[in-house]
Amino acid sequence: DVKVTQSSRYLVKRTGEKVFLECVQDMDHENMFWYRQDPGLGLRLIYFSYDVKMKEKGDIPEGYSVSREKKERFSLILESASTNQTSMYLCASSFDSGTSAYNEQFFGPGTRLTVL
Amino acid sequence: KQEVTQIPAALSVPEGENLVLNCSFTDSAIYNLQWFRQDPGKGLTSLLLIQSSQREQTSGRLNASLDKSSGRSTLYIAASQPGDSATYLCAVSNQGGKLIFGQGTELSVKP
Repeated sequence: DVKVTQSSRYLVKRTGEKVFLECVQDMDHENMFWYRQDPGLGLRLIYFSYDVKMKEKGDIPEGYSVSREKKERFSLILESASTNQTSMYLCASSFDSGTSAYNEQFFGPGTRLTVL
Repeated sequence: KQEVTQIPAALSVPEGENLVLNCSFTDSAIYNLQWFRQDPGKGLTSLLLIQSSQREQTSGRLNASLDKSSGRSTLYIAASQPGDSATYLCAVSNQGGKLIFGQGTELSVKP
């Protein structure tokens, strides 16, 4: 079974802090994604990566950055946390079959981040 | 811009009933469609993936259909159980494997 793990289930940080959210997958997937989920807004894509050291902006990249130094690990960084970044953060990964039709995404358990 | 809509937003049924969840999308140029289940405060569990060339997929009591030309998908759950209570999300994939999600249907199955 594919396993996607996230470093924390719950996290509380203060405004202005630098925050690191870690995601690790164990299935040698090429593609990795970071989403945030908010009531009434659904899931929105923040950043994604197709390979090591590659990154692409999603729909809402402002205030975030990412790092992918190893294939299995994809980190989301909040450079200076703000209260409007309080949210559920979900990481996902998928195998790159060469055609997007087969790219089933598998999600981690989520990190509930609260910024005070 | 692709938009995904799920109706109804919430559904409550008695145990044992068969039910259908609906998903519609505005742009038929999709690569695949995925149905997910999400329990409160948890991550998403992939239920079924239908490739754009397929019409349906089945897994146990679940059957998902896809009509790409009309921009619709349905998730059929047979003989519902209280353990099926969760939020069900559909998502369509465009080029590059990025997913666009609907808002979800919150299902409650009463014993």
